[in-house]
Amino acid sequence: AQKITQTQPGMFVQEKEAVTLDCTYDTSDPSYGLFWYKQPSSGEMIFLIYQGSYDQQNATEGRYSLNFQKARKSANLVISASQLGDSAMYFCAMREGRTGNQFYFGTGTSLTVIP
Amino acid sequence: ETGVTQSPTHLIKTRGQQVTLRCSSQSGHNTVSWYQQALGQGPQFIFQYYREEENGRGNFPPRFSGLQFPNYSSELNVNALELDDSALYLCASGIYNEQFFGPGTRLTVL
Repeated sequence: AQKITQTQPGMFVQEKEAVTLDCTYDTSDPSYGLFWYKQPSSGEMIFLIYQGSYDQQNATEGRYSLNFQKARKSANLVISASQLGDSAMYFCAMREGRTGNQFYFGTGTSLTVIP
Repeated sequence: ETGVTQSPTHLIKTRGQQVTLRCSSQSGHNTVSWYQQALGQGPQFIFQYYREEENGRGNFPPRFSGLQFPNYSSELNVNALELDDSALYLCASGIYNEQFFGPGTRLTVL
């Protein structure tokens, strides 16, 4: 089974609107971390937001928030007030355990912001 | 800026050759991980080094090997290159929950 599933290969959003990028995960480890990264065409993976499995509240970082639904094993990224510079690939990733040594990545979602 | 640098930016090799990719981490980051990202895919974990010792490996053959040095630099070596090794290779360093990625090296095998 895939550890991370991103079912939206491509998404479009109007500038200044909000958009949700879906991510579901699969693990039997009670301790895990969930991450979202942005990858522009230049290739560098840019860290956006982190959610720990024991965190009681949804993580937020500026215009980014993570809608964490533990029972559904989903960790959707919400981007508010989209900007043209948000156009990029977005990857959801998971690390198992408190000090897991690898990140499992999904296949990514390509986001295009339309002026 | 993550403070993680990689060299070279691009590289072209032919099948059967050997290649060395380099990464320079931030001071204080005691782990370095390498990932392979094929076109249109998410990154795949190759291995991690912690205090200069291999600390976990993904599903990659032994011809992928690495080194980590005390000065926070590291290398990924790939022997007997195959066409399927063409990909973006990403280095990530960090402490605990954080992994900061470098800009990657794009390797093309002809």
